[in-house]
Amino acid sequence: NAGVTQTPKFRVLKTGQSMTLLCAQDMNHEYMYWYRQDPGMGLRLIHYSVGEGTTAKGEVPDGYNVSRLKKQNFLLGLESAAPSQTSVYFCASSTDRYSPLHFGNGTRLTVT
Amino acid sequence: DQQVKQNSPSLSVQEGRISILNCDYTNSMFDYFLWYKKYPAEGPTFLISISSIKDKNEDGRFTVFLNKSAKHLSLHIVPSQPGDSAVYFCAATFSSGSARQLTFGSGTQLTVLP
Repeated sequence: NAGVTQTPKFRVLKTGQSMTLLCAQDMNHEYMYWYRQDPGMGLRLIHYSVGEGTTAKGEVPDGYNVSRLKKQNFLLGLESAAPSQTSVYFCASSTDRYSPLHFGNGTRLTVT
Repeated sequence: DQQVKQNSPSLSVQEGRISILNCDYTNSMFDYFLWYKKYPAEGPTFLISISSIKDKNEDGRFTVFLNKSAKHLSLHIVPSQPGDSAVYFCAATFSSGSARQLTFGSGTQLTVLP
């Protein structure tokens, strides 16, 4: 029972490079979310999806894009990485908007 | 401007005693509150929640109290165990939203000493 799986676990990028973070869930959840966690701050919502083919902006969406082409996958893209995007990224999913979120173990991204 | 605040970055408690973690919020529109626990190198895991129509919710050793007039909630852990050592995040949301858009506090590192 994998739950929410994030790949990669670690990544180092140079400023201006691009990358895609993958989130996969095997719980048949409709809702998926991307958060970032920075030191001294709580998790902040980047983007979320309420179902396959849908995406919406969260609190801090600038510099990121997302896609939900398949129900089980939620991709987070950085087109041109900046040092300010150095963070730990967490993906989460839930059955519906009332259910608790299930989180993956995070991706630690460093942009130099 | 943080809408959910956890003013104590860390807390140490002796095993068997009570742990009390506090959280304050500023947005009076929040009507649902949650606590998550996080171990190193893992994602947060859901612990307990409370709706604004209640002032207390219990689940085993964990109890959450909500004081709406003070915009304050607290998590009580009794008795505390070494395995409870983790970072605890409180979070708040609006039940009317289109998704579970949680606003998190910055977390409190709880250390339970054997």
